[in-house]
Amino acid sequence: GQQVMQIPQYQHVQEGEDFTTYCNSSTTLSNIQWYKQRPGGHPVFLIQLVKSGEVKKQKRLTFQFGEAKKNSSLHITATQTTDVGTYFCARPYSGAGSYQLTFGKGTKLSVIP
Amino acid sequence: EAGVAQSPRYKIIEKRQSVAFWCNPISGHATLYWYQQILGQGPKLLIQFQNNGVVDDSQLPKDRFSAERLKGVDSTLKIQPAKLEDSAVYLCASSLDIYEQYFGPGTRLTVT
Repeated sequence: GQQVMQIPQYQHVQEGEDFTTYCNSSTTLSNIQWYKQRPGGHPVFLIQLVKSGEVKKQKRLTFQFGEAKKNSSLHITATQTTDVGTYFCARPYSGAGSYQLTFGKGTKLSVIP
Repeated sequence: EAGVAQSPRYKIIEKRQSVAFWCNPISGHATLYWYQQILGQGPKLLIQFQNNGVVDDSQLPKDRFSAERLKGVDSTLKIQPAKLEDSAVYLCASSLDIYEQYFGPGTRLTVT
């Protein structure tokens, strides 16, 4: 499957600061999914974006899908210690009659209280 | 609804030994995935089942890894013989459709 690049790899923020992670693809995406993995935990689905230019909000989290559907971002306003974890974007690909996800390497967020 | 169950949660083995992991997906989920997650990386798909048939195992190292899903429900993933580079978390996930995948807690494998 084709890759998605995530930046930054790590981010340390003071509690209350904002945080943004970016996900980039060299090819057009049909959709993009975001997952969060807490330390020692497993990935948990956050959201799927499908439409060009789509913006979705979940409380302090804002997800965007680029107009060209080649990039996406996740922005957290006023981070809290509960936001700690690694955030992955995942792109779909279809092959051999299947539907699968390719995950980025993730952005690991640390929040300093 | 109950989540995806996996066991064991932790396993330590020596290289060249064998190990097996078990997964019970969410009831009614036809699709089951096994992922390998090496520290600091995203999950990498090893194999995908649709009911009890393999849909894609192109990234499964078939010389040492095998997986089955009998009766289209539970699944097992086996490694024989294990290598040091197999140390990772093995995640099982299931899905009802293409919308989202539900992950189990994973099995952390350490090969010494």
